[in-house]
Amino acid sequence: GAGVSQSPRYKVAKRGQDVALRCDPISGHVSLFWYQQALGQGPEFLTYFQNEAQLDKSGLPSDRFFAERPEGSVSTLKIQRTQQEDSAVYLCASSLLQGTSGRGNEQFFGPGTRLTVL
Amino acid sequence: AQSVTQLDSQVPVFEEAPVELRCNYSSSVSVYLFWYVQYPNQGLQLLLKYLSGSTLVKGINGFEAEFNKSQTSFHLRKPSVHISDTAEYFCAVSSGRNDMRFGAGTRLTVKP
Repeated sequence: GAGVSQSPRYKVAKRGQDVALRCDPISGHVSLFWYQQALGQGPEFLTYFQNEAQLDKSGLPSDRFFAERPEGSVSTLKIQRTQQEDSAVYLCASSLLQGTSGRGNEQFFGPGTRLTVL
Repeated sequence: AQSVTQLDSQVPVFEEAPVELRCNYSSSVSVYLFWYVQYPNQGLQLLLKYLSGSTLVKGINGFEAEFNKSQTSFHLRKPSVHISDTAEYFCAVSSGRNDMRFGAGTRLTVKP
């Protein structure tokens, strides 16, 4: 594919339900990032993968949030027992090289998944 | 840790007028600076970035930004805007690790 894709684009969940959000990065990209973007705010870092290894999960807001990238390509962000405060757009980004967001290592963003928890 | 402040949440401007979107950052280490644009229902697209060297950076769509270390600013400018520039603009800062921090965004609205 030409870019990062995410599915579903929209998800409505009842409070307490579990959801799974999928990210397909650009083929061959080593790094993968998840961000949470609340309404009217900028993206907030959630977690970072280098291939299949989750090297940083410091931004995950609670233990209800879990992310995986088992084969180093597709990633899934899972939210258990969703709460209203989880309503946001979840953005995925990938980059070719490892680790750094500087030195020309541009992050390419997907269109996001808009999660609404009722 | 780094942080970013975008000083204007909304900037209305008429078509063909110049525009400046302001961004200030704070950091205890050297930083890399970025501007992203987000069109409705789309992901973020990189406009330009400052990594090192010349403090005046040119990006896509006629945008440019100037890194000012003494004022810790990285303001985005365009001499003449088009209707199609209407979007949300985000300033971001990073130390070079996986620690990108974004501002709250500035909504640019270009009116005919």
